[in-house]
Amino acid sequence: GDSVTQMEGPVTLSEEAFLTINCTYTATGYPSLFWYVQYPGEGLQLLLKATKADDKGSNKGFEATYRKETTSFHLEKGSVQVSDSAVYFCALPSGGGSYIPTFGRGTSLIVHP
Amino acid sequence: DAGITQSPRHKVTETGTPVTLRCHQTENHRYMYWYRQDPGHGLRLIHYSYGVKDTDKGEVSDGYSVSRSKTEDFLLTLESATSSQTSVYFCAATGTGINTIYFGEGSWLTVV
Repeated sequence: GDSVTQMEGPVTLSEEAFLTINCTYTATGYPSLFWYVQYPGEGLQLLLKATKADDKGSNKGFEATYRKETTSFHLEKGSVQVSDSAVYFCALPSGGGSYIPTFGRGTSLIVHP
Repeated sequence: DAGITQSPRHKVTETGTPVTLRCHQTENHRYMYWYRQDPGHGLRLIHYSYGVKDTDKGEVSDGYSVSRSKTEDFLLTLESATSSQTSVYFCAATGTGINTIYFGEGSWLTVV
């Protein structure tokens, strides 16, 4: 079945540092790929998405490129801020006859001033 | 705003009592989900619904039941709450197509 693997956290960075959170997936075909963000005390919200191979999703300075060759969708940001401290989830939508989306375990990001 | 509201947002209850959490959506999404989130476990699916009166179990369904009598409401019931069910519960919903999943704000449940 579908699966998503993302790097373990927490990731601890200083403000203005470069961020990469790795995500790889296993799925049938070429699904859409998503990154969700969860700020403390809140539910998950969509950060960005890509619907086909080589697409780049972007939002709030974050980017991720859909790489079908490496089945990856790594999240990057050039200069993180304290306000980016959150948990980030890579996800596949439901598909292949399943109604159930697939989420990674989440990666906690802590940004220090 | 995804139009998903959960109630109650916070609840403390005693072991052995029944508890019902409500999820209400305003976007006519077909699919709805209940997850629990615990440290070290990520999101775990409890139950889901693929239509009115159509529900199925997720990976951690023991001790939980659900009902969906109309499109907009998805209820999660803890039949007899236990301390192991202390958690944060999230409702989510999505439609067909390229499926962005929308989440509620969460319900914090403490079983004492």
